[in-house]
Amino acid sequence: DAGVIQSPRHEVTEMGQEVTLRCKPISGHNSLFWYRQTMMRGLELLIYFNNNVPIDDSGMPEDRFSAKMPNASFSTLKIQPSEPRDSAVYFCASSFWGARERYNEQFFGPGTRLTVL
Amino acid sequence: DAKTTQPPSMDCAEGRAANLPCNHSTISGNEYVYWYRQIHSQGPQYIIHGLKNNETNEMASLIITEDRKSSTLILPHATLRDTAVYYCIVSNTNAGKSTFGDGTTLTVKP
Repeated sequence: DAGVIQSPRHEVTEMGQEVTLRCKPISGHNSLFWYRQTMMRGLELLIYFNNNVPIDDSGMPEDRFSAKMPNASFSTLKIQPSEPRDSAVYFCASSFWGARERYNEQFFGPGTRLTVL
Repeated sequence: DAKTTQPPSMDCAEGRAANLPCNHSTISGNEYVYWYRQIHSQGPQYIIHGLKNNETNEMASLIITEDRKSSTLILPHATLRDTAVYYCIVSNTNAGKSTFGDGTTLTVKP
């Protein structure tokens, strides 16, 4: 398996533009997580999905952020409009969560480094 | 999820064992202890997890105290490539959510 795939790896945009980050989870995994990492705030969980359904979006900073998971193999995180303070590395992770597997090993992608000018 | 406390940084000599402590005094009975590490510019990588028994895999060993209020991750023979930030996480995985704290920056020195 290729692991969790994220695109783009780097994104530079201007304030006010729309940004879309993409994630392909590991095949067979049923949970997907979006994280943001900055020096100031560390690694923050933004939102996670289970079986394509958003379970907890309490970490989404504001309405400018939205995430979707239209199917088991694809998710997007959108920022509209983007602001300089959104500059960070955004990680996607996936895992398998089942009734018998009462633990949750997350596999992380390489991240998308976003710079908003 | 229970909160964890880790020292901000530690040094270890190459070839020696690295022992990374974590306090999780408010852990509840259905919460697992997980360890991840993040090497510079990469995504976090799962290392090991446990509930109440000690665990060992090819990467590390996890020692959990009997009262489960603290744990220690042991890298038996640290190498320079083990230099990373190590995160200890306690999580009620009924919903799969894990909260990362600040972690411990381990520096392995030659």
